[in-house]
Amino acid sequence: DGGITQSPKYLFRKEGQNVTLSCEQNLNHDAMYWYRQDPGQGLRLIYYSQIVNDFQKGDIAEGYSVSREKKESFPLTVTSAQKNPTAFYLCASSQGLAREQYFGPGTRLTVT
Amino acid sequence: QKEVEQNSGPLSVPEGAIASLNCTYSDRVSQSFFWYRQYSGKSPELIMSIYSNGDKEDGRFTAQLNKASQYVSLLIRDSQPSDSATYLCALSSSGTYKYIFGTGTRLKVLA
Repeated sequence: DGGITQSPKYLFRKEGQNVTLSCEQNLNHDAMYWYRQDPGQGLRLIYYSQIVNDFQKGDIAEGYSVSREKKESFPLTVTSAQKNPTAFYLCASSQGLAREQYFGPGTRLTVT
Repeated sequence: QKEVEQNSGPLSVPEGAIASLNCTYSDRVSQSFFWYRQYSGKSPELIMSIYSNGDKEDGRFTAQLNKASQYVSLLIRDSQPSDSATYLCALSSSGTYKYIFGTGTRLKVLA
């Protein structure tokens, strides 16, 4: 079955630690995205990547970093510089410009 | 003004009724529109996409787009308790990889 996987489902970290969230897709999609969702707010774009070895900052990129070394994979690192990292993180992919976007199951990160 | 506006709800409808969810947007160049369903604690699931003015039907769901009035709506016929969720409206503009999401409308279907 084609789809997007994210791991882990739940993640707990202490303040000051970097943490990396995994996102893998086998849909053969070119574009991949990372969003953050907080209660009562819409999805906010962190980073996106149109092709391998290329990525662009979204609206809230500060404190986050990404890499796109393979078409299938787009990991997100939440660094200690991110002021409020506790959130639900969603990875998505799409075939092309302004096309349907599909989401992975999400990773719920809690930093204390 | 927010780029995508949705009434947060909750919108309560009885089982078997038609649920009507609305979304207005401010960017006139938006070309692609999407409706997602999100159950509590889960990720958004794509229900429908619509690209041109008019209606698009898929099973119990109908998306309606009116670009002149800058709104898109989702009708759910024969609503079921399992349709109870938050419905997100999203849009994207031609030539861009960015998507704008509304904050969602919470739908409650009463058995």
